[in-house]
Amino acid sequence: SQTIHQWPATLVQPVGSPLSLECTVEGTSNPNLYWYRQAAGRGLQLLFYSVGIGQISSEVPQNLSASRPQDRQFILSSKKLLLSDSGFYLCAWSPGGGGLAFFGQGTRLTVV
Amino acid sequence: GNSVTQMEGPVTLSEEAFLTINCTYTATGYPSLFWYVQYPGEGLQLLLKATKADDKGSNKGFEATYRKETTSFHLEKGSVQVSDSAVYFCALSNQAGTALIFGKGTTLSVSS
Repeated sequence: SQTIHQWPATLVQPVGSPLSLECTVEGTSNPNLYWYRQAAGRGLQLLFYSVGIGQISSEVPQNLSASRPQDRQFILSSKKLLLSDSGFYLCAWSPGGGGLAFFGQGTRLTVV
Repeated sequence: GNSVTQMEGPVTLSEEAFLTINCTYTATGYPSLFWYVQYPGEGLQLLLKATKADDKGSNKGFEATYRKETTSFHLEKGSVQVSDSAVYFCALSNQAGTALIFGKGTTLSVSS
């Protein structure tokens, strides 16, 4: 069966520090991968999605970047965090096409 | 572009009350539509889906009908339970099935 792992579960980082959140999927190949941010009062915002290795689509211009170095690995990064980057980050995967998505447990990021 | 608009919450109901959460969408082509649910402290789970006009998705007593003429996918349940308290997200997948766009979420609180 397919599983998705996202870590860490919680993270407190100072303003200006770098960020790296990792997400891996097991039990499937060539999944579509997604990073979402859930901020209070703003719902679930799609940040990046990827349909293959090295293919990244950005939905919202911002202080973050994403990479997909391997088929089942998706990384969310920042060189310098801002206070506004605080939020709940969710990784998700879906089979190619169809739109059905399975979510990780999320990372609560607090920038102080 | 693609977007999803759902009613603002929170929605507060007594147990056994009737629930409606409105959702409308804007999309090119023929998207698939979804309702996801997020219980406190967890990631999102698929609740139900519909992939073409007039389809009705249903699960756990919830149902929603894909209405192309009104571009809507309202979520309903005839009798809510305390355990239904959660955040509900309406979502659409673009026709290619690559991007999954969510609404802002509606918080449902059910009291006994």
